[in-house]
Amino acid sequence: DQQVKQNSPSLSVQEGRISILNCDYTNSMFDYFLWYKKYPAEGPTFLISISSIKDKNEDGRFTVFLNKSAKHLSLHIVPSQPGDSAVYFCAASGGGSGAGSYQLTFGKGTKLSVIP
Amino acid sequence: SAVISQKPSRDICQRGTSLTIQCQVDSQVTMMFWYRQQPGQSLTLIATANQGSEATYESGFVIDKFPISRPNLTFSTLTVSNLSPEDSSIYLCSVAGLGQPQHFGDGTRLSIL
Repeated sequence: DQQVKQNSPSLSVQEGRISILNCDYTNSMFDYFLWYKKYPAEGPTFLISISSIKDKNEDGRFTVFLNKSAKHLSLHIVPSQPGDSAVYFCAASGGGSGAGSYQLTFGKGTKLSVIP
Repeated sequence: SAVISQKPSRDICQRGTSLTIQCQVDSQVTMMFWYRQQPGQSLTLIATANQGSEATYESGFVIDKFPISRPNLTFSTLTVSNLSPEDSSIYLCSVAGLGQPQHFGDGTRLSIL
């Protein structure tokens, strides 16, 4: 049972336009959500996060939106740049205490291609 | 964020042998984790490496197959034992401070002959 789902394996966007990556989750105990970017042969790089007490978090060109009632979050990249081409992973954590609350459940990732 | 060095970056091993992967961090960190990413799959948590005590394993992962050590707050090892083709994966360590997001090493790409 996949608790974090990224239903689009790939996405192509023109440079300068908006990229929207989507993520759905099923576990209502999740209360902290993260996006990671991964280039080939490198580890995932933390991009942005959001707590369940918020519905939006912004950092430069990156904005994450959280809709708790729909158990859905999205990452918006505006404007998209060729260097944004990578695999984007959605991850979630929550429940428990101590190390358990830090354990991440990942989606399968969405490969974003930004076309110059 | 912490600089994480993971070694080796890749290896090709024979069936039945073992591989030990090292994870070194340039500063003391509260938590260290080990993940596996099988081909075409998401990252799956293997275990939480606990400093000075036995690791905490997730369902489906056992200590005999994936022994983990964490002798101090900057270093951990993961051993993948009795290798089989199903163990061909990328293995990643991650670290986190209290209230901080996890940061990952570049991973170890393991192939089994």
